[in-house]
Amino acid sequence: DAGVIQSPRHEVTEMGQEVTLRCKPISGHNSLFWYRQTMMRGLELLIYFNNNVPIDDSGMPEDRFSAKMPNASFSTLKIQPSEPRDSAVYFCASSSPGLAGYNEQFFGPGTRLTVL
Amino acid sequence: DQQVKQNSPSLSVQEGRISILNCDYTNSMFDYFLWYKKYPAEGPTFLISISSIKDKNEDGRFTVFLNKSAKHLSLHIVPSQPGDSAVYFCAAAPNSGYALNFGKGTSLLVTP
Repeated sequence: DAGVIQSPRHEVTEMGQEVTLRCKPISGHNSLFWYRQTMMRGLELLIYFNNNVPIDDSGMPEDRFSAKMPNASFSTLKIQPSEPRDSAVYFCASSSPGLAGYNEQFFGPGTRLTVL
Repeated sequence: DQQVKQNSPSLSVQEGRISILNCDYTNSMFDYFLWYKKYPAEGPTFLISISSIKDKNEDGRFTVFLNKSAKHLSLHIVPSQPGDSAVYFCAAAPNSGYALNFGKGTSLLVTP
């Protein structure tokens, strides 16, 4: 299996622009997570889906952030409009509890976002 | 509010010695605890886990100890190798299906 795939790996944009991050989870996994990593806050959960349904979006910082999972093999995280403080590494992870140990999440390589 | 805390941002250990990484948590509802390892420019990878019904879990050179009364867990790496140099994240969850709460990580450097 190719693992969790994220694109792009790097994104540099200007303040005010729309940014879309993409994720393809591991086939067969039914839970998908979006995390953001910053120096100040570490690795924080933004939102997670179970069977394509958003379960907990309490970590989404504000209305500028939105996430969708139209099918089991694809998810997007959109920031509109982007701001410099959104600069971070965004990780997508997927899991299927019971297959490989409880709640073991498999992470993608991340997208490094820089907003100028 | 950080429910999982790793109070040591960094740790340096000589090759062959033991590395001990510590983690504290505040939520008594946490039942499952995991350690992840992260290399630069890569996503975290799962290392080892423990459930609250155990106080120790061992996998090769890696052992995780859980002290529920103290709300504390630790990861022991014996013997430490230069390839173990990475950032280690402690994570916890209350129940199956819940997302993980991560600590901020401890950067381990193993020197030859």
